[in-house]
Amino acid sequence: KNQVEQSPQSLIILEGKNCTLQCNYTVSPFSNLRWYKQDTGRGPVSLTIMTFSENTKSNGRYTATLDADTKQSSLHITASQLSDSASYICVVSALMGDTDKLIFGTGTRLQVFP
Amino acid sequence: DAGVTQSPTHLIKTRGQQVTLRCSPKSGHDTVSWYQQALGQGPQFIFQYYEEEERQRGNFPDRFSGHQFPNYSSELNVNALLLGDSALYLCASSSPPGLADNEQFFGPGTRLTVL
Repeated sequence: KNQVEQSPQSLIILEGKNCTLQCNYTVSPFSNLRWYKQDTGRGPVSLTIMTFSENTKSNGRYTATLDADTKQSSLHITASQLSDSASYICVVSALMGDTDKLIFGTGTRLQVFP
Repeated sequence: DAGVTQSPTHLIKTRGQQVTLRCSPKSGHDTVSWYQQALGQGPQFIFQYYEEEERQRGNFPDRFSGHQFPNYSSELNVNALLLGDSALYLCASSSPPGLADNEQFFGPGTRLTVL
């Protein structure tokens, strides 16, 4: 069964600190992995997208890693800001014919306090 | 360049009623996907429309139906509303299926509350 699991479920950190969010998946056949940021009550916004051959990708203070062998990904946030408070969702695409099927994790709820 | 837009932003209905949600895709996109996101959960795939046809469908009952218009905009219809249908409904648009870079861009969502 295609699944995406994220940990921790929630996280509280102080402004300026770093943190790392985890994503484990059992999705086959793998197409790509994306990290989204979702503010409360808003639609998800893409942070990074990685294919099988990529093992790291950065977007400003966000750095995602992918280990396709162990089927794990992480999202590292550097020097956190209050505006980083949001849910972070890991989404893995399974290649189904000529289209992708997206499998969503339940997200990690990050709260950054001053 | 307009992103994905959805209307309305909020909606309150009672059990048994019917609701229609609307979505306009990002400029240049012709594929629209709909998701249901319950509070504290990840989005659940409802269905995807391309070339005015339903191409994929998730595990949702027939009460959930949709439509795509020639201008690529889309509607999600839910009949016989249940309390459990209360959720944020997200629309995402992308380029045609099969292209390498068919990343989905999400709209702001419609918050549906069923009383």
